[in-house]
Formats: sequence, structure tokens, C-alpha cells
Amino acid sequence: NAGVTQTPKFQVLKTGQSMTLQCAQDMNHNSMYWYRQDPGMGLRLIYYSASEGTTDKGEVPNGYNVSRLNKREFSLRLESAAPSQTSVYFCASSEAANNQPQHFGDGTRLSIL
Amino acid sequence: RKEVEQDPGPFNVPEGATVAFNCTYSNSASQSFFWYRQDCRKEPKLLMSVYSSGNEDGRFTAQLNRASQYISLLIRDSKLSDSATYLCVVNGRYSSASKIIFGSGTRLSIRP
Repeated sequence: NAGVTQTPKFQVLKTGQSMTLQCAQDMNHNSMYWYRQDPGMGLRLIYYSASEGTTDKGEVPNGYNVSRLNKREFSLRLESAAPSQTSVYFCASSEAANNQPQHFGDGTRLSIL
Repeated sequence: RKEVEQDPGPFNVPEGATVAFNCTYSNSASQSFFWYRQDCRKEPKLLMSVYSSGNEDGRFTAQLNRASQYISLLIRDSKLSDSATYLCVVNGRYSSASKIIFGSGTRLSIRP
């Protein structure tokens, strides 16, 4: 039972490079989310997709783009990586956007040099 | 004031002790509440939802106090394996997903 799968698990980039973080869920959930977690800051929502075909900004969207490729997949793209984007990134999904608990992938640890 | 606040801890208690911590929230219209646990360098995992009447799951009890706008988590007969960071999550009524707010977490360490 895979749940939420994120790739890659680790990545080191140079400033200015681009990359896409992949996320897929097999729970038939409608809503998907991208968070970043920094020490002492807690989880902060970057973007979310309430349902297939929709995406919306969260608390910290600057420097990121997302694509809800289909119901299963939600990708996060860094067009020009900056050191401030060094963080742990979590993808999550839930049955619906409101009032439902979220299930998380095991994270991508991203370092920008 | 932060929308969701937690005492960061760490709480350091002996095995077998009872420990409780609270999470306060500022949006009085909040409708959904959850507790997650997060182990070091791991993803958050749902521990339990918090219902208006309070609810229990084994050694864990969650309560909601709407008047004072906080939720609580009580752990009885604590085990070494309970050592983790506990995150509270609050979601506003009829809100979009952007109003799902995670607390920064309370660190709990259980000593033998």
C-alpha cells in the first residue's frame, strides 16, 4: 500500500538550476498539497489542488509552480532555485480540501548551493 | 498572534508518566482539528482527529475547548516510542485548503 510517493528523496542543486519534484497518490484522493518545512517554522503550504484541474496558491508560493497532471499526480517545479528554497518538501493528499485529514509522502530533502 | 500556537517544549518526562499539551487557535470559526505526530526526519502522520465531545484512542485523549479556543492532547502511561514532535492542525469553517494551518509542534521526549 504505497499511499503518497515522492521522488526524489534527496537532491542537491546549484543556484539558478531548475527541477521538478514529483508526487503521486494511489488513494483516489481529490485534493493534493505541497508543503515546505524549515526548522522552527512548521509546515507551510506552498500550493494546493482542491480537485483535478484546479490549483491555488498557499502561504508561500513565490518561486514555485505546480501542475496537477491527473487525479493521481501533482508536481512542484522550481524554475530558478535559490538558497532560500533549501528545505524539506512534503506532498500530501486528502479526500477533500476541507475537514479531512491529510496523508503525507516521506519528503524530499532539497539543498540549494 | 499566530493563528495556531503550540508550546515548542521540549517536554521531558519519565516512562509511564502522563503528559498533556495544548494548542491554541485564533479563528473562532475553525471547524476541524487534528493531532499529528512527526518523528525526526520523517513525514507527519495522523494521530487522531479531535471531536467536539472529546475522543480517546487507547492511551491518547484529545479534547476541544471552543470557549477558550484550544485543543489538547493527553498521553497516559507514556512509552519510549511516544518520543516525537506533536503537531496540531486547525481548519477554518467553509474555508479553502489554504486555511489549513499546522502548528510548529511540541517536542516530547520520554526517558527510561
